[in-house]
Amino acid sequence: NAGVTQTPKFRVLKTGQSMTLLCAQDMNHEYMYWYRQDPGMGLRLIHYSVGEGTTAKGEVPDGYNVSRLKKQNFLLGLESAAPSQTSVYFCASSPLTGRSNQPQHFGDGTRLSIL
Amino acid sequence: GIQVEQSPPDLILQEGANSTLRCNFSDSVNNLQWFHQNPWGQLINLFYIPSGTKQNGRLSATTVATERYSLLYISSSQTTDSGVYFCAALGDSNYQLIWGAGTKLIIKP
Repeated sequence: NAGVTQTPKFRVLKTGQSMTLLCAQDMNHEYMYWYRQDPGMGLRLIHYSVGEGTTAKGEVPDGYNVSRLKKQNFLLGLESAAPSQTSVYFCASSPLTGRSNQPQHFGDGTRLSIL
Repeated sequence: GIQVEQSPPDLILQEGANSTLRCNFSDSVNNLQWFHQNPWGQLINLFYIPSGTKQNGRLSATTVATERYSLLYISSSQTTDSGVYFCAALGDSNYQLIWGAGTKLIIKP
């Protein structure tokens, strides 16, 4: 059982380039999330999805787009990368949120550097 | 929205010592999780503990929801316990885990 898998693990981009980060989960979870972690800080939510075909903005959505075409995959796109987007990106999934919450499960992260 | 504060920010201990890490949150929570981020950056799920007490080996956690805090206990510390410990809480939004700034733990041999 792989859990949450992120690809790639590392990437270096030049300012203005575009790229897509892929998150895949094999736990049949409804909810998926993209976070970023900057040095010395906790994670901040970029976008999330409560089901296939739906996405919503989190705390820091500017400069990013997401898509959830299949339940098991959640893609994070950078259309025109900026140095401020240099960060470690984490994907997570959970089976359900609400009053009967379940924990979020995290991938190993993607280290992204924008030059 | 909910605020999450962790203390202490840094902790340096000798191997074998015990430690207590604290997480305060400003409002009622539906979900509280403790994570260990190892030196390679991986986030390890330690506990899902919106209330009550749980134990896993040398680690245990207690959340007192009515008083809005959670404690993580590490006994007989080992060098592999080094890293940053985060607590994260889910409030009324039901979607966004709000993270504390972490406690950086260094265990010296």
